[in-house]
Amino acid sequence: GAVVSQHPSWVICKSGTSVKIECRSLDFQATTMFWYRQFPKQSLMLMATSNEGSKATYEQGVEKDKFLINHASLTLSTLTVTSAHPEDSSFYICSATERATEFFGPGTRLTVL
Amino acid sequence: GENVEQHPSTLSVQEGDSAVIKCTYSDSASNYFPWYKQELGKRPQLIIDIRSNVGEKKDQRIAVTLNKTAKHFSLHITETQPEDSAVYFCAASNGGGGGSNYKLTFGKGTLLTVNP
Repeated sequence: GAVVSQHPSWVICKSGTSVKIECRSLDFQATTMFWYRQFPKQSLMLMATSNEGSKATYEQGVEKDKFLINHASLTLSTLTVTSAHPEDSSFYICSATERATEFFGPGTRLTVL
Repeated sequence: GENVEQHPSTLSVQEGDSAVIKCTYSDSASNYFPWYKQELGKRPQLIIDIRSNVGEKKDQRIAVTLNKTAKHFSLHITETQPEDSAVYFCAASNGGGGGSNYKLTFGKGTLLTVNP
């Protein structure tokens, strides 16, 4: 199957700082990527759909000014958590579709102190 | 929007037994139903999927059935092994797995434990 990578795999930051997470499709081009958030022992919640060359589409309740998404190329989407707070601590996972199947990145564990 | 319900939330079976996880969905337009296996701290891995033009699909020990009329689909794992222990998520989409309306809605997950 297609390979999706994420960087970093984990990050610890102080409250008030911004954190950027990268999502890459390694062996295919992805015009659309997805960003999810997963709290411990919970399901994946879609945050936004990242579209190459256009603005991201955010799910209801997700602050677009706090979670900045940039999809600058067909293989890279970035999620920036701005002014992070402890409640933003979570597992962030990206995904992309290839041949009508969604493949997930390995996730980024964000801990905000 | 779509709402996916998944049951049970936890399931414990003996090695060699079968395990069944059931999901229902609300949007009759949904036409793509994947199942993912997620081990602790790792990414969800697609294990099987089914599209609305078929009623059943099987891949070795894993099978999925779909009842469009009742809007429910189920995952069946036979001859379970300890390495099957993980969290399993069902999901539904009305975008056929990649169309312009594609968006996955996940169930809450089932923690499957296979006891040796």
